Amino acid sequence: QQQVKQSPQSLIVQKGGISIINCAYENTAFDYFPWYQQFPGKGPALLIAIRPDVSEKKEGRFTISFNKSAKQFSLHIMDSQPGDSATYFCAALTGGYQKVTFGIGTKLQVIP
Amino acid sequence: DVKVTQSSRYLVKRTGEKVFLECVQDMDHENMFWYRQDPGLGLRLIYFSYDVKMKEKGDIPEGYSVSREKKERFSLILESASTNQTSMYLCASIRGGARGTDTQYFGPGTRLTVL
Repeated sequence: QQQVKQSPQSLIVQKGGISIINCAYENTAFDYFPWYQQFPGKGPALLIAIRPDVSEKKEGRFTISFNKSAKQFSLHIMDSQPGDSATYFCAALTGGYQKVTFGIGTKLQVIP
Repeated sequence: DVKVTQSSRYLVKRTGEKVFLECVQDMDHENMFWYRQDPGLGLRLIYFSYDVKMKEKGDIPEGYSVSREKKERFSLILESASTNQTSMYLCASIRGGARGTDTQYFGPGTRLTVL
């Protein structure tokens, strides 16, 4: 049972383009939605996160858009660069133990 | 700087062997987690621990056990390794009482191959 559905699984974007990754969830008890970035040979690292009472959060070239009624959220990477090539995971948290539910991941390749 | 370390980056074991994967964090975090990462399946939670000697099953605990004798150390044990346990194993930690403003910190992973 996949509680956080992520798409696409792979994405190829030209340098300077916009990368968009989408996620959807079912559990309305989720109360925090982080995105993680993982480079080959490394563990995932927090990229940006949003709470459900906010519709958008921007940090540099990275923006999360959140639609609470549709139970969907997405990551936009503006002016994508080859250094952004990595695997991106959306995630959702609930509960006091900070148990994280991850999407299946999106492998992004930014080509020059 | 926060640090989660895992005892091995690469490990090759034979079917039926008992395997220990060690994870140590230096942030005094209460909560620790073990995930496995497989292509097309993302990260799946195996076990987590919210205190010393406490443990909770995650989504895929079958074939695994854990041990947390000290706050900083969380071990994953494969009692009798099987080929379907070939995977990347990731350890993570987060402070207790965090309410969405903190993040899980991940180790670099252990790539386990069971022959």
